[in-house]
Amino acid sequence: AQSVTQLGSHVSVSEGALVLLRCNYSSSVPPYLFWYVQYPNQGLQLLLKYTSAATLVKGINGFEAEFKKSETSFHLTKPSAHMSDAAEYFCAVSKTGFQKLVFGTGTRLLVSP
Amino acid sequence: SAVISQKPSRDICQRGTSLTIQCQVDSQVTMMFWYRQQPGQSLTLIATANQGSEATYESGFVIDKFPISRPNLTFSTLTVSNMSPEDSSIYLCSVEGLAGGPETQYFGPGTRLLVL
Repeated sequence: AQSVTQLGSHVSVSEGALVLLRCNYSSSVPPYLFWYVQYPNQGLQLLLKYTSAATLVKGINGFEAEFKKSETSFHLTKPSAHMSDAAEYFCAVSKTGFQKLVFGTGTRLLVSP
Repeated sequence: SAVISQKPSRDICQRGTSLTIQCQVDSQVTMMFWYRQQPGQSLTLIATANQGSEATYESGFVIDKFPISRPNLTFSTLTVSNMSPEDSSIYLCSVEGLAGGPETQYFGPGTRLLVL
């Protein structure tokens, strides 16, 4: 069965600092991996996805993630944090397309001025 | 990209009552899903809404409690029946199979439910 682990329920950074949100997955087959962001009182917005093409995936709002099979990781990064990046970030995995998503527990990103 | 809407956006209900949540997409999609996000928690899949047939429920969720309909390729409803305070959650629908976005689920804005 697929699962994801997000290390750190809260991550605090200063504005302009590097953002690194960690996600490790467990899957019996090459997975599809996703990062979603949830702003307060809103639904989930897709940031980026990995579906077995390029291992370095670029998403919206300057975020990117690298699929590392040897480390079973799909960490999310952004070179310079903005105040507007403060939100809850969820990593998710599915076995293939058109299948249910299994979500991690989420990481709340706090950005201080 | 497609627009996914949910109604109502939020509601406060009394225990023992039922609430039906609607999910509408402005284009046809292959798959529609319903998720629950309990306070401070992650998302858990309730069921896959199948067009023209009964929904497929995940372990721990039953049709009597969460009846689902999907009469066509753009619309689905989720009913939360005989509600208790433990049903207070955000309920989100997601869709997959949009043109230009296969293998990706897109989410509606959610319905925030508080049961007293």
